[in-house]
Amino acid sequence: DAMVIQNPRYQVTQFGKPVTLSCSQTLNHNVMYWYQQKSSQAPKLLFHYYDKDFNNEADTPDNFQSRRPNTSFCFLDIRSPGLGDAAMYLCATSREAQGAYEQYFGPGTRLTVT
Amino acid sequence: AQSVTQLDSQVPVFEEAPVELRCNYSSSVSVYLFWYVQYPNQGLQLLLKYLSGSTLVKGINGFEAEFNKSQTSFHLRKPSVHISDTAEYFCAVSVFFGNEKLTFGTGTRLTIIP
Repeated sequence: DAMVIQNPRYQVTQFGKPVTLSCSQTLNHNVMYWYQQKSSQAPKLLFHYYDKDFNNEADTPDNFQSRRPNTSFCFLDIRSPGLGDAAMYLCATSREAQGAYEQYFGPGTRLTVT
Repeated sequence: AQSVTQLDSQVPVFEEAPVELRCNYSSSVSVYLFWYVQYPNQGLQLLLKYLSGSTLVKGINGFEAEFNKSQTSFHLRKPSVHISDTAEYFCAVSVFFGNEKLTFGTGTRLTIIP
């Protein structure tokens, strides 16, 4: 089945220690997104790629970076995690169909910062 | 800019009773509308979507929603809920043609009481 895969599902890192979360997709979608979701809140868009074009949200901290080496893979780098960065990180993909972009989500990576 | 309001943060419902989760949106242009479900420690799964055509949309797991343009609403309904419907439900909107981003509501936690 075509899908969005996130590894690892659970990640523990130390305060200030860089961490990378990965996302891959078999849907061949040209748009990929990274969201941060804290407990009992809606997902918050950090940034997205439209093809190779990177689109950063205005309020995304510089501490968060992303790479998309090819269509299938996208990475979220947190350069110096703080306690406030503990959250679920969701990757999603989409492509245009009938004018709309229906997003398909991965299972998420839960990040714990100690 | 568009916005989404989910008036109820929590909705408790007895098993086999009907449920309605409310969603209202605001936009100066035409929109596409989505309902997503999120089970604990998982990503978001699309329940249903309204793009065009019939205002009554049927989705997975027995859910349906009705688009009401005059009331700018897209309420989600199910005639008889099950324990397995316990989850967080998010309403989302995107604008017509060309915007690949979603604007999410704050979510409604549906709790099914046995």
